[in-house]
Amino acid sequence: EVQLVESGGGLVKPGGSLRLSCAASGFTFSSYNMNWVRQAPGKGLEWVSSISSSSSYIYYADSVKGRFTISRDNAKNSLYLQMNSLRAEDTAVYYCARVEGSGWYYIDYWGQGTLVTVSS
Amino acid sequence: DIQMTQSPSSLSASVGDRVTITCRASQSISNYLNWYQQKPGKAPKLLIYAASSLQSGVPSRFSGSGSGTDFIFTISSLQPEDFATYYCQQSYSTLRTFGQGTKVEIK
Repeated sequence: EVQLVESGGGLVKPGGSLRLSCAASGFTFSSYNMNWVRQAPGKGLEWVSSISSSSSYIYYADSVKGRFTISRDNAKNSLYLQMNSLRAEDTAVYYCARVEGSGWYYIDYWGQGTLVTVSS
Repeated sequence: DIQMTQSPSSLSASVGDRVTITCRASQSISNYLNWYQQKPGKAPKLLIYAASSLQSGVPSRFSGSGSGTDFIFTISSLQPEDFATYYCQQSYSTLRTFGQGTKVEIK
């Protein structure tokens, strides 16, 4: 069974940093591209970042470029999101998500999410 | 960036109704269009990928169509468990984008 379990969320002050982790199991993690997607309270889904299976290709939404860094450790079956210079508008539930591998690039599995609150 | 515009933003419908949601892309995305369902407090769930392919295990009352810039998502006969928010997402561009969502409420 595919499982994605996020951790690392919490309360942080504006300008602060936080590192999210996602532990993957039930599939060959090193074979799949991965995404981070977030959802502000009461708002819609926002794609944040993508990383290819071997970390060769990395992309960011304009809203986080230069502040967030996505990475992965295939030996540890883990995905990360380093978030710096956090702003109030980064407050959201952050989902780790697996991207299917056949070439259509849809998200087929999601974690349960971890809440990040940026507030003084 | 490719912008995705869904309509309507919300709708009220009754059990058994046919429901249609539209998603429009700001440029052609071929068939790289996916539909997700999200219930309150839960992670999204994939329903349709590649514009019209039904994800395994998803009931056949859900369907999708379209290509290029205009796409349609249909629930043929709304069931009580279908009251939720639905999102389209394009996976054509490396910068993936979602529509703003359509909330389907009980009439």
